[in-house]
Amino acid sequence: QAQLHESGPGLLKPSETLSLTCALSGAPISNYYWSWIRQSPGKGLEWIGCVYYSGNTKYNPSLKSRMTISIDSSKNALSLKLRSVTAADMAIYFCARGTGDDTNGWYDYWGRGTLVTVSS
Amino acid sequence: SYVLTQPPSVSVAPGQTARIACGGNNVAIKNVHWYQQKPGQAPVLVVYDNSGRPSGIPERFSGSKSGNTATLTISRVEAGDEADYHCQLWDTSSDHPGVFGGGTKLTAL
Repeated sequence: QAQLHESGPGLLKPSETLSLTCALSGAPISNYYWSWIRQSPGKGLEWIGCVYYSGNTKYNPSLKSRMTISIDSSKNALSLKLRSVTAADMAIYFCARGTGDDTNGWYDYWGRGTLVTVSS
Repeated sequence: SYVLTQPPSVSVAPGQTARIACGGNNVAIKNVHWYQQKPGQAPVLVVYDNSGRPSGIPERFSGSKSGNTATLTISRVEAGDEADYHCQLWDTSSDHPGVFGGGTKLTAL
């Protein structure tokens, strides 16, 4: 079974850069895509973006200008960088494994999530 | 961007059947997936591809679709089924393919 574990700083100041890592284990990273999904307090799930094993990425247009998602197959790690954070970026950030192809996909494994707080 | 609409809440008595709807344009021609999320936990996939059930998910959970509305049905609801339920699909027509509904809170009265 795949296991995913997010890590990163829990507290940031406005305008700083959020850097999160998701350690992947228990299953090969090839043949899947890997996503970041966040959830603001009391809200629904928001799809942030994904990276395929090939390195190709897709981003939520509302965040695209501030965001970079990458995967390091040698380290079995997924990463997220979100620049110039504001209070609107406060959320629980999940990494998840996507199963499917370019036309359809679902998330069969999730990390436990990591809470990110933005405060001066 | 694509929008999936869910009711904010559904209430049902234990032992009864709960139905949670998820609607959007062209849902009829897309595959819908469902997740259960209990407080403080990560989402768990309960239905994939409209009606598929992952290993370990009870048969009480089933999915269906009619026109542009997908439905998650939970039979014989138990107190332990209280959770938020999220629908999701992959919208290939945009550069924002991952789409989630707003979530529905299921309460077992």
